[in-house]
Amino acid sequence: GENVEQHPSTLSVQEGDSAVIKCTYSDSASNYFPWYKQELGKGPQLIIDIRSNVGEKKDQRIAVTLNKTAKHFSLHITETQPEDSAVYFCAASRGNAGNMLTFGGGTRLMVKP
Amino acid sequence: GAVVSQHPSRVICKSGTSVKIECRSLDFQATTMFWYRQFPKQSLMLMATSNEGSKATYEQGVEKDKFLINHASLTLSTLTVTSAHPEDSSFYICSARDATTDTQYFGPGTRLTVL
Repeated sequence: GENVEQHPSTLSVQEGDSAVIKCTYSDSASNYFPWYKQELGKGPQLIIDIRSNVGEKKDQRIAVTLNKTAKHFSLHITETQPEDSAVYFCAASRGNAGNMLTFGGGTRLMVKP
Repeated sequence: GAVVSQHPSRVICKSGTSVKIECRSLDFQATTMFWYRQFPKQSLMLMATSNEGSKATYEQGVEKDKFLINHASLTLSTLTVTSAHPEDSSFYICSARDATTDTQYFGPGTRLTVL
């Protein structure tokens, strides 16, 4: 089955700096890669996703890159703000979002004002 | 994005009782919903996949007779924790797939505490 590794497990940055979270996956058939933000006591919120037919996708301060050959994808947050502090999860899936997602272990991001 | 609700958000019950958790897709139809369990400071663990009108598919190690799932309509799936025990205390989260956008959205979660 699929195995998703996520690094780092914790990340502390100064407000305004960039943050990068990296994930690797094992199943070459995976072709859907969403990222979720989870605040304390709440459910995960989809912040961006990418499918295997593109290498990069951007939405304001958030971007995701995908390298299918190397089987890794990354989340980039620029100009970080204190409200970006949360736990971020990457995930991978075969086919589409209707298939089960395999999650990474999560990254706790702390943005210091 | 699409909205998924869960009810209740928090429940405390006595050992041996059963607890039902509802998951609703509010503005889209979801033929597929998923149920996850999350322990503190850990990732999400998939418990089962719920398909409207058919039996749920449970992940290995998840007792189907203990965690009853019903997906009777395109907007509602329920998880019933039967004869709950303290070790069942956890954060339960559902998600639903919006077929029109092919995206999976999560509910806000239900905190279950079994005394």
